[in-house]
Amino acid sequence: KQEVTQIPAALSVPEGENLVLNCSFTDSAIYNLQWFRQDPGKGLTSLLLIQSSQREQTSGRLNASLDKSSGRSTLYIAASQPGDSATYLCAMGGTSYGKLTFGQGTILTVHP
Amino acid sequence: EAQVTQNPRYLITVTGKKLTVTCSQNMNHEYMSWYRQDPGLGLRQIYYSMNVEVTDKGDVPEGYKVSRKEKRNFPLILESPSPNQTSLYFCASSYSTGVGGYTFGSGTRLTVV
Repeated sequence: KQEVTQIPAALSVPEGENLVLNCSFTDSAIYNLQWFRQDPGKGLTSLLLIQSSQREQTSGRLNASLDKSSGRSTLYIAASQPGDSATYLCAMGGTSYGKLTFGQGTILTVHP
Repeated sequence: EAQVTQNPRYLITVTGKKLTVTCSQNMNHEYMSWYRQDPGLGLRQIYYSMNVEVTDKGDVPEGYKVSRKEKRNFPLILESPSPNQTSLYFCASSYSTGVGGYTFGSGTRLTVV
């Protein structure tokens, strides 16, 4: 059974800090890994997608890495801002019929 | 604008009254899927469709039906809703089983009383 774990469950940081969110997965037959952002009561916004053949992707202040051998992905957020406050979800796309397996999320609070 | 559109956004209904949540995408995606999100349980897949007229069960299909008569639409049908189907529902699509990543709709918050 595919499982995705995110650590920490919650994180509170002052504005301006660089931070790392962690995601680990159990299935080495990963197809891709996608990071999402979810604001309270809202939908999922895709942040970064890493295919299994890639090691990392970058978009603005965000950088995501993928290490299949260790079953880990990290999302790095540089110079955090209060507007970054949200729940961050990682989701593993396995080879099983396109299903995404989600982690429980990291609730990020960036205070001014 | 490329998007997945779900309707309605909010719905309160009574036990046993059939309802349909619509989902439409304008990206010519082959793959579509429904998820539900519950506190403590995260997001779980209900049903998926790899193409027109091809659908299959996900992890939590009980109490739900789907159909895929057209490529762009993938409605979720609750024939006889029960309170344990109170949840936040998301529709998602991708080009082909995750190629290019998934695009999610804005969600439908369903309450069954």
